[in-house]
Amino acid sequence: DTTVKQNPRYKLARVGKPVNLICSQTMNHDTMYWYQKKPNQAPKLLLFYYDKILNREADTFEKFQSSRPNNSFCSLYIGSAGLEYSAMYLCASRPGTGGDTGQLYFGEGSKLTVL
Amino acid sequence: GEQVEQRPPHLSVREGDSAVITCTYTDPNSYYFFWYKQEPGASLQLLMKVFSSTEINEGQGFTVLLNKKDKRLSLNLTAAHPGDSAAYFCAVRHSNNRIFFGDGTQLVVKP
Repeated sequence: DTTVKQNPRYKLARVGKPVNLICSQTMNHDTMYWYQKKPNQAPKLLLFYYDKILNREADTFEKFQSSRPNNSFCSLYIGSAGLEYSAMYLCASRPGTGGDTGQLYFGEGSKLTVL
Repeated sequence: GEQVEQRPPHLSVREGDSAVITCTYTDPNSYYFFWYKQEPGASLQLLMKVFSSTEINEGQGFTVLLNKKDKRLSLNLTAAHPGDSAAYFCAVRHSNNRIFFGDGTQLVVKP
């Protein structure tokens, strides 16, 4: 099973409220990524976990947090949502070891709308 | 940081025509390259991958060309059919595990 699951698929949030998005995979992949995707733009790398080590991109460092309680799960947390956070959030994973080339396995995304 | 530029943003062709999508990147540390396809309402799926400056044909009617000297990656479709209509994204991987994407190309193949 090469499925990456994301929940919720759709999230409506008020400005200033927190948002928590969840991603899971059962492929025992070491590395999990979060991307932000807005219409007509490239998926923007926010952060990724290699095993238990979190790497956050410098330009979004303070905007997003994440946790990975075990190998299968990874969350994306927004402490105080702003209108600019409205986007599709894509989770992806890859093996990270064993000849891994970097191919990503994507979930279907969580669409966040902030009002 | 890495800049990945993808062109064109939109491409409309007739069934049987060829189509070419091109990406350029800036970071010489990029060393694995990918093309993803996204159909409406679905997740991004790997279409093809390339690691060296060689031509690879995965047998789906697509060919990938990589020119590391020019930092250019292209996806060539030799004979489009309506089922190829989708969004296509190039991606480049760095040695530090970061993977960056182009803006995407919306391909429409008309019967």
